[in-house]
Amino acid sequence: AQSVAQPEDQVNVAEGNPLTVKCTYSVSGNPYLFWYVQYPNRGLQFLLKYITGDNLVKGSYGFEAEFNKSQTSFHLKKPSALVSDSALYFCAVRADQAGTALIFGKGTTLSVSS
Amino acid sequence: DTAVSQTPKYLVTQMGNDKSIKCEQNLGHDTMYWYKQDSKKFLKIMFSYNNKELIINETVPNRFSPKSPDKAHLNLHINSLELGDSAVYFCASSQDVGSGRETQYFGPGTRLLVL
Repeated sequence: AQSVAQPEDQVNVAEGNPLTVKCTYSVSGNPYLFWYVQYPNRGLQFLLKYITGDNLVKGSYGFEAEFNKSQTSFHLKKPSALVSDSALYFCAVRADQAGTALIFGKGTTLSVSS
Repeated sequence: DTAVSQTPKYLVTQMGNDKSIKCEQNLGHDTMYWYKQDSKKFLKIMFSYNNKELIINETVPNRFSPKSPDKAHLNLHINSLELGDSAVYFCASSQDVGSGRETQYFGPGTRLLVL
């Protein structure tokens, strides 16, 4: 069975500092990994995904994520946080089959202070 | 242009009522989904349709019935609403073309409150 773990309920960083939101996964077969962001009372916005290729994936709004197969991790990073990055972040994994669902982590609230 | 749209955005109703939520995507995708987000923000799949065929039907009460009249629409009908059905329901779509590597795009959500 597939699963995703986001070990931190909340991450607090100061504006301008680098941020990391952690994610580990468990999946049989090739992992397809995704990060989504949810702003208050809004839908989920796609940030980036890892399918294959380079372990460092770049996405929207200056975010990037590093796939580490040996550690089964896919941590989300940004070199310099903005207050506007404050939101709820979800890591998700998906199996390689049409119609399969995203399996989400519980979410991590990112709070960036000015 | 809205890629994945849902109506209504908010739905407040009494226990025991029947209600429907509509979802439309204009992305030309072949697969559509319904997810439920509970009060703790947990997101879980309910159903998925690929080319109008039901692919996933998670352990969801029979009171929930999806209907896909065509590839661009996936509606969710809920009978005999219960207090525990209060949640945010998200529709999503993707162009799977036989694999799971494609991105799912989400609608804005329907916030259902059962009183």
